[in-house]
Amino acid sequence: SQTIHQWPATLVQPVGSPLSLECTVEGTSNPNLYWYRQAAGRGLQLLFYSVGIGQISSEVPQNLSASRPQDRQFILSSKKLLLSDSGFYLCASRWNGYTFGSGTRLTVV
Amino acid sequence: KQEVTQIPAALSVPEGENLVLNCSFTDSAIYNLQWFRQDPGKGLTSLLLIQSSQREQTSGRLNASLDKSSGRSTLYIAASQPGDSATYLCAANQAGTALIFGKGTTLSVSS
Repeated sequence: SQTIHQWPATLVQPVGSPLSLECTVEGTSNPNLYWYRQAAGRGLQLLFYSVGIGQISSEVPQNLSASRPQDRQFILSSKKLLLSDSGFYLCASRWNGYTFGSGTRLTVV
Repeated sequence: KQEVTQIPAALSVPEGENLVLNCSFTDSAIYNLQWFRQDPGKGLTSLLLIQSSQREQTSGRLNASLDKSSGRSTLYIAASQPGDSATYLCAANQAGTALIFGKGTTLSVSS
């Protein structure tokens, strides 16, 4: 079975500051990886997905970017955070269904 | 574009009651349908995965069904318990695409 590690669990950042959220996967190789965001009162929105190292697809144009420097590592970044970037960020891996990490609660103040 | 809808948005039941959560999807050409549980402030826990060739899956007190022709899935919870209180999310994906989620049903089971 696969395990998704996400950190940090919570983060409070000022507007205009940079962001880096990391996700690593154990128990599988060459997984498809995904970043989702869950904003208050809204459903889960797909932000990025990756089918391999260096391969990133963006679903929603926004202030964020993603990178996959290693097979089991997926990073979500921003150069300058906006208030609207606040939310609950979840990393997921797909193999025989989807497995999600425990999430990062980001509050931009 | 696939859309997933869950009804009701919230549900309150007394302990011991059997209940059904509903999920509908607009494109019947799905590859997988998956039910998740989310506790407040936590990540998603997979409950049941139904592949497109399957009609239902069971795990303990949970049973999920899939009817692709009508674009529906149901999650049946037998003999509900206070520990079942959580938000239940339905999600579907087509071949080569990511999961599309409904907005969830928030269940409250009172003792």
